[in-house]
Amino acid sequence: GAGVSQSPSNKVTEKGKDVELRCDPISGHTALYWYRQSLGQGLEFLIYFQGNSAPDKSGLPSDRFSAERTGGSVSTLTIQRTQQEDSAVYLCASSPLIMNTEAFFGQGTRLTVV
Amino acid sequence: AQSVTQLDSQVPVFEEAPVELRCNYSSSVSVYLFWYVQYPNQGLQLLLKYLSGSTLVESINGFEAEFNKSQTSFHLRKPSVHISDTAEYFCAVTVVSGGYQKVTFGTGTKLQVIP
Repeated sequence: GAGVSQSPSNKVTEKGKDVELRCDPISGHTALYWYRQSLGQGLEFLIYFQGNSAPDKSGLPSDRFSAERTGGSVSTLTIQRTQQEDSAVYLCASSPLIMNTEAFFGQGTRLTVV
Repeated sequence: AQSVTQLDSQVPVFEEAPVELRCNYSSSVSVYLFWYVQYPNQGLQLLLKYLSGSTLVESINGFEAEFNKSQTSFHLRKPSVHISDTAEYFCAVTVVSGGYQKVTFGTGTKLQVIP
């Protein structure tokens, strides 16, 4: 596609339910990033993929959070047993494996846990 | 590991006044530096970037940033701000190490332009 696509754009879920957030990066982009943007908290790094492998998972806040990437393309961020503090905008970005290029962001998924 | 520090979480400034948004980074290897902007209710988009060459880089809407290697800084400046510059600004560093390329962002600075 022309840009990074994230779905759904909005998700309201009940506390304790599992959710899956999807990211379709720009075709050919090797690197893929997940960030979380909470109100007043700035941009929080979650996980980074290079191809299908995740060399840096240091930002995942708990073991309820996991992510995978298949075929070097689509990535899914899964949050199990959601809590109210998980409410945030989840942003995905991708970039080609060329060191001097920018990261391109999707519009994000706004997750609300009620 | 690299890190990016934006010390100011919020910066209020009057319209037509100058502004500087500070960004410092730490890295043991060469870096590429970026500023991103997020306007209200919009996604992040690239504002400007430093790759090599001239240490002063400019954007199309009047912002500029200067790479200072000795001070490990990449502060963003504009001599006269407009209401439309109200947004959140993120500094970012790209490092290539061990075959991996990673972008690290600062926590952002909210610029509020006051009429």
